[in-house]
Amino acid sequence: DVKVTQSSRYLVKRTGEKVFLECVQDMDHENMFWYRQDPGLGLRLIYFSYDVKMKEKGDIPEGYSVSREKKERFSLILESASTNQTSMYLCASSLGVFSYEQYFGPGTRLTVT
Amino acid sequence: AQSVSQHNHHVILSEAASLELGCNYSYGGTVNLFWYVQYPGQHLQLLLKYFSGDPLVKGIKGFEAEFIKSKFSFNLRKPSVQWSDTAEYFCAVTPPSNRDDKIIFGKGTRLHILP
Repeated sequence: DVKVTQSSRYLVKRTGEKVFLECVQDMDHENMFWYRQDPGLGLRLIYFSYDVKMKEKGDIPEGYSVSREKKERFSLILESASTNQTSMYLCASSLGVFSYEQYFGPGTRLTVT
Repeated sequence: AQSVSQHNHHVILSEAASLELGCNYSYGGTVNLFWYVQYPGQHLQLLLKYFSGDPLVKGIKGFEAEFIKSKFSFNLRKPSVQWSDTAEYFCAVTPPSNRDDKIIFGKGTRLHILP
């Protein structure tokens, strides 16, 4: 089974802090994704990566950056956390080009106070 | 704008009732279609998918979905729901010519089954 793990289930940070969310997948998948999930808004794509050191903006990249130094690890960075970034963050991975099915991690619930 | 629409945000049913959750998308061309489910406290997981072939797709836990190309729809159905089906359900679509496996998700439908 594909396993996608995220470094924390719950995180509380203060406004202005730099926040790192880590995601690791163990199935040699090419593609990795970061979403945020908010009630009534569904899943919105923040960034994705289809190769090591490659990244592309999703629908809501503002206020976020990402890093993919190794194939199995994809990090989401909040340079200066703000209260409107309080949300559930989901990481996902998929096998590769045109494989389509995404596998999700358990999520990190981030609260910014 | 191109999008995925789920008709109901919140559905409440009694056990043994029949279920149909609506999903429409606005992309032209060939698309792939998914339903994902998120049970309380659990991660998002794939319920079923349609890539090609028989437009009636069977998934896990007795769910099925029908792709109707002329209506741009991919509705989820289950003849008799159980309390354990309480969850949030997301319809999703891959846009045409999508090399990067991007999926566009609907806003979700919260399903609450009364025991």
